[in-house]
Amino acid sequence: DVKVTQSSRYLVKRTGEKVFLECVQDMDHENMFWYRQDPGLGLRLIYFSYDVKMKEKGDIPEGYSVSREKKERFSLILESASTNQTSMYLCASSLLSQPKAFFGQGTRLTVV
Amino acid sequence: AQTVTQSQPEMSVQEAETVTLSCTYDTSESDYYLFWYKQPPSRQMILVIRQEAYKQQNATENRFSVNFQKAAKSFSLKISDSQLGDAAMYFCAYRHDKLIFGTGTRLQVFP
Repeated sequence: DVKVTQSSRYLVKRTGEKVFLECVQDMDHENMFWYRQDPGLGLRLIYFSYDVKMKEKGDIPEGYSVSREKKERFSLILESASTNQTSMYLCASSLLSQPKAFFGQGTRLTVV
Repeated sequence: AQTVTQSQPEMSVQEAETVTLSCTYDTSESDYYLFWYKQPPSRQMILVIRQEAYKQQNATENRFSVNFQKAAKSFSLKISDSQLGDAAMYFCAYRHDKLIFGTGTRLQVFP
């Protein structure tokens, strides 16, 4: 079965730190997505990528950047973490030709 | 812009009964996919059911079925014979190029 792995399940960082959230998939998927999940707001798309070195802004890209240097890895970067970025972050991947997305287990990030 | 709306923040159902979760969406595209995902307390997103927009027939997966009304842009999920294990957050999702989600419905199941 497809495996999407997020590097940390829980993370605590200080305000102003640069934070990297890593996501790796093992099924050669072209598409990868980063979401944040907040109570009452559902999953909101931050960035997505169709292929290596390609990225598209989602609905809430402000304060975030991404990197996709290799097909299997999609990194979400918080350049200068702020308390309002405390959230659950979910990564997903899918084939370009198939609509079904597979999700990682999520990273609960707390910025103090 | 494409949007997905779930107007029921919480729903409850008694075990063995039937419950329907509502979802509407907005798009100008004619070719897209719709999904219902389940998120239990483990946080793992689980695909429950999917519907291709070009298919008129409503999708069914065991106790889960959808009522897809393309003209009305409505996509509701019916859970029959509800079980305690169905308790979770349920998210409606739309995909054309990007995959976008609604705000979720928390389903409680009472014995």
